[in-house]
Amino acid sequence: LAKTTQPISMDSYEGQEVNITCSHNNIATNDYITWYQQFPSQGPRFIIQGYKTKVTNEVASLFIPADRKSSTLSLPRVSLSDTAVYYCLVGDAGGSYIPTFGRGTSLIVHP
Amino acid sequence: DTEVTQTPKHLVMGMTNKKSLKCEQHMGHRAMYWYKQKAKKPPELMFVYSYEKLSINESVPSRFSPECPNSSLLNLHLHALQPEDSALYLCASSVGTGAYEQYFGPGTRLTVT
Repeated sequence: LAKTTQPISMDSYEGQEVNITCSHNNIATNDYITWYQQFPSQGPRFIIQGYKTKVTNEVASLFIPADRKSSTLSLPRVSLSDTAVYYCLVGDAGGSYIPTFGRGTSLIVHP
Repeated sequence: DTEVTQTPKHLVMGMTNKKSLKCEQHMGHRAMYWYKQKAKKPPELMFVYSYEKLSINESVPSRFSPECPNSSLLNLHLHALQPEDSALYLCASSVGTGAYEQYFGPGTRLTVT
């Protein structure tokens, strides 16, 4: 089971780009990297998933280097509403996958 | 409809009570999950159901009893809980087990007195 490590907290300001890095040194060949966002007292919400290189959707980009031992979630031009906890999960598409949330990164966006 | 619903939103129960949490999805997902989340901690997986059969039980005490009556419904029966079981209980679903996108419900805030 690939363990993930993220910064505990980050601060940013409105309009800035925020990059949150997740370390997963023992990622397996078949593992995907998935990011979730969670607001207080709500369920997590899927943001983005990738396997290698770069993935982009309407809310974020995910950068994965060739060795796949880390990944970076990039949030362009954050707003106050992006203040939340961000979790990185690693796992394969097989039935034995046990979704394990690490400590997550608490992002605070300031005016 | 990409929504997972959970009822009730809030629940207060005594240590001798029996209560149930309910989760429902109509996305045709075949995997459903229960998580427990304490304040300022990450969600912890409790149970996974795949095609209405229990596939993963993360060593959860027997006072928590899951049930999947059909492909859309997931229940969590609670009995003889302890105050330390007070937490946010989250339900999620996905197209299958594996690292697929999970859709989470809003959770049930449980307080055990």
